Amino acid sequence: AQTVTQSQPEMSVQEAETVTLSCTYDTSESDYYLFWYKQPPSRQMILVIRQEAYKQQNATENRFSVNFQKAAKSFSLKISDSQLGDAAMYFCAYRRGGASGSRLTFGEGTQLTVNP
Amino acid sequence: EAQVTQNPRYLITVTGKKLTVTCSQNMNHEYMSWYRQDPGLGLRQIYYSMNVEVTDKGDVPEGYKVSRKEKRNFPLILESPSPNQTSLYFCASSLKLGIYEQYFGPGTRLTVT
Repeated sequence: AQTVTQSQPEMSVQEAETVTLSCTYDTSESDYYLFWYKQPPSRQMILVIRQEAYKQQNATENRFSVNFQKAAKSFSLKISDSQLGDAAMYFCAYRRGGASGSRLTFGEGTQLTVNP
Repeated sequence: EAQVTQNPRYLITVTGKKLTVTCSQNMNHEYMSWYRQDPGLGLRQIYYSMNVEVTDKGDVPEGYKVSRKEKRNFPLILESPSPNQTSLYFCASSLKLGIYEQYFGPGTRLTVT
């Protein structure tokens, strides 16, 4: 079974600084997808960024980028120029490819605090 | 506005009293799913549906039922709630699987006493 591990329950960063959240996963599949979701205090789940495993190029979305290391099964999220609005719980998630990819498997989450 | 709605947003109930949490999406999505969120465990899938009349178990289906009679609706039913089902519940939908984004509802906070 696939597992997703976020080893940092809590992280903090100063406003305008850069922070990296870690995520590792375990799979024997070659076709899969990885996601980072953000959950602010409103509880709404918001997609931050996504990556297809077959793509070597790391995904970027404005201030958010990933470091995808397929061999190491690592998928870290880098937030540049951190803003107060980035404070949230961040979840890493995995999905198998193809018709069998019916579920998102989530990590435990990392609570990010942004200090002014 | 494209969205996933859930009702109720908050619910306090007693052990054994049947309840239903409704979920509806207006995006004509094929795939819908229910998750529960518990501290330190992230989100875990309860049930999912690939299309109308097609449902299957996720990782933690015990004590839950679902149905998909219409494409837009995917209610979660707790026939006999127990305190260990106290949790935050999310409904989600996506057009398809793969890289497609899952859109989440606002969540339902359920407390079973």
